[in-house]
Amino acid sequence: DQQVKQNSPSLSVQEGRISILNCDYTNSMFDYFLWYKKYPAEGPTFLISISSIKDKNEDGRFTVFLNKSAKHLSLHIVPSQPGDSAVYFCAAGTGTASKLTFGTGTRLQVTL
Amino acid sequence: DAGVTQSPTHLIKTRGQQVTLRCSPKSGHDTVSWYQQALGQGPQFIFQYYEEEERQRGNFPDRFSGHQFPNYSSELNVNALLLGDSALYLCASSLDRRVETQYFGPGTRLLVL
Repeated sequence: DQQVKQNSPSLSVQEGRISILNCDYTNSMFDYFLWYKKYPAEGPTFLISISSIKDKNEDGRFTVFLNKSAKHLSLHIVPSQPGDSAVYFCAAGTGTASKLTFGTGTRLQVTL
Repeated sequence: DAGVTQSPTHLIKTRGQQVTLRCSPKSGHDTVSWYQQALGQGPQFIFQYYEEEERQRGNFPDRFSGHQFPNYSSELNVNALLLGDSALYLCASSLDRRVETQYFGPGTRLLVL
């Protein structure tokens, strides 16, 4: 049972344009969501998070949007840079001290 | 300041054997969580250790066990290895179990033949 889904396995975006990565979840108990970035041969790196009491959180070029009624969140990267090319994972949990459930990841390729 | 370190980086075992993976948390962190990442999948939570006790556990059989030492480092043990245990094993450390402080190590890649 895949409780967190990333339906796009890959995405290609031109440098300078917006990258939008999507994530859907089924467990209504999830109340904390995170995005991680992963380069080959490295562990995932925390990017940005959002709790269910908010619908938007912004950090520099990264913004996460949460639509609780649709059980959907998205990560926007503006502007996209070649160094953003990596695999992005969406993760969810109940409370900040909980175990995390991860999606299967989206591979982002930012082209010149 | 060293981040999360894991050893070994790679390991090859045969079915039925036992394996121990090690993790040293980031300086100042007191919580260690272990994840299994199979090829093409996202990381799956195995368990979390805090104050030397297992605090939470994911949907993994008892063949998977762990330990946390007084210096907060941790071991993951897997008994009676199966081919399906082949994966990247990630260790993540955090402060006071707070996931927003969580840092991941580079992982140990285990291949079971």
